[in-house]
Amino acid sequence: GAGVSQSPSNKVTEKGKDVELRCDPISGHTALYWYRQSLGQGLEFLIYFQGNSAPDKSGLPSDRFSAERTGGSVSTLTIQRTQQEDSAVYLCASSSQTQETQYFGPGTRLLVL
Amino acid sequence: DQQVKQNSPSLSVQEGRISILNCDYTNSMFDYFLWYKKYPAEGPTFLISISSIKDKNEDGRFTVFLNKSAKHLSLHIVPSQPGDSAVYFCAASGRGTGNTGKLIFGQGTTLQVKP
Repeated sequence: GAGVSQSPSNKVTEKGKDVELRCDPISGHTALYWYRQSLGQGLEFLIYFQGNSAPDKSGLPSDRFSAERTGGSVSTLTIQRTQQEDSAVYLCASSSQTQETQYFGPGTRLLVL
Repeated sequence: DQQVKQNSPSLSVQEGRISILNCDYTNSMFDYFLWYKKYPAEGPTFLISISSIKDKNEDGRFTVFLNKSAKHLSLHIVPSQPGDSAVYFCAASGRGTGNTGKLIFGQGTTLQVKP
């Protein structure tokens, strides 16, 4: 079956602009996670969604970052007033239930000039 | 504060030999551990996992060992193949009640398997 998909695959933007990243999880997966990988670093947790529960936003680095998950499926991660340090690969993962194995999408490579 | 550490940024082995990738963690609340493999320009691919109630889990050429007292786990690949060349990430999470299952990742080890 189809895996996790993300769009766009690459995004180049100017400092100060807003960007929106999209994630389509595996069909039927109720848990969805966003991570990011900065250059030379491991993956860093950003936010978690599970069904209708309140999301765990504890990993968001600043209030410029927000995410939503509409209808329990597609999720969008929005970064407002982008900064150069936001440049990273943003990865989305989904799992059938919370605490089950997470399956990752290919990521969105964001470059802020 | 790095809760999951992969102290070797790179490892090179000969095809057919064993590859051993190591990972250390500091948080005793972690009770589930995973290894992911990542090729360039792709997302991480799940490889193998182990629960803290076990000390070994095997899947084909891949075996993960967990030493809870040392807070150490390792991934053994035998025999290593050139297609195994990738970045390997160790990850940990807590699966207790109320935990979200978020993964804490190490910084990765780049494995090169030479033909």
